[in-house]
Amino acid sequence: GAGVSQSPSNKVTEKGKDVELRCDPISGHTALYWYRQSLGQGLEFLIYFQGNSAPDKSGLPSDRFSAERTGGSVSTLTIQRTQQEDSAVYLCASSSLTAYNEQFFGPGTRLTVL
Amino acid sequence: AQRVTQPEKLLSVFKGAPVELKCNYSYSGSPELFWYVQYSRQRLQLLLRHISRESIKGFTADLNKGETSFHLKKPFAQEEDSAMYYCALSLNAGNNRKLIWGLGTSLAVNP
Repeated sequence: GAGVSQSPSNKVTEKGKDVELRCDPISGHTALYWYRQSLGQGLEFLIYFQGNSAPDKSGLPSDRFSAERTGGSVSTLTIQRTQQEDSAVYLCASSSLTAYNEQFFGPGTRLTVL
Repeated sequence: AQRVTQPEKLLSVFKGAPVELKCNYSYSGSPELFWYVQYSRQRLQLLLRHISRESIKGFTADLNKGETSFHLKKPFAQEEDSAMYYCALSLNAGNNRKLIWGLGTSLAVNP
């Protein structure tokens, strides 16, 4: 079957605009994770979903960031009033509940805020 | 607090030389550790996990609880090993199941 997909692959936006990033996990995977990967900063955890609920939102950098997941499948990460420091690659990963340590990653969305 | 430390941001070796990517962790429970790898223009993917005690692409990693380390080793590095390597610690606390990530080490294997 298909792996994790993300859209768009690239997004260029102007400072102050809102953006929405989408993640389609592997079918049947109940766990979904959002990460941010910045140059020289490694992998930064943002939020984790188990089904439709988010037990851990501790990584969201500010209240401009929010995420939701509906139907236990697709997830969207929304960044409001984008700032230049939001520029990064946003990665999504999914895993099964019994093997949550084996996370399957999407290709990422490269966000550039001008 | 749980933490994973990868002290080297960049590691450069010559082809055929041994390579060791360091990973240290801090965790009060029984640790489960993993190495993930991201090759250029490819997705991040699981390389190996300590539980399975496997060797993948010639890489091995041994969990040393006394030194709280999980270093990744390969006796003879190849150019295709050049990639970003992340060490990760499994956290399983109640309803919260996630990985704690190190900042990564970029390995460059020179010809």
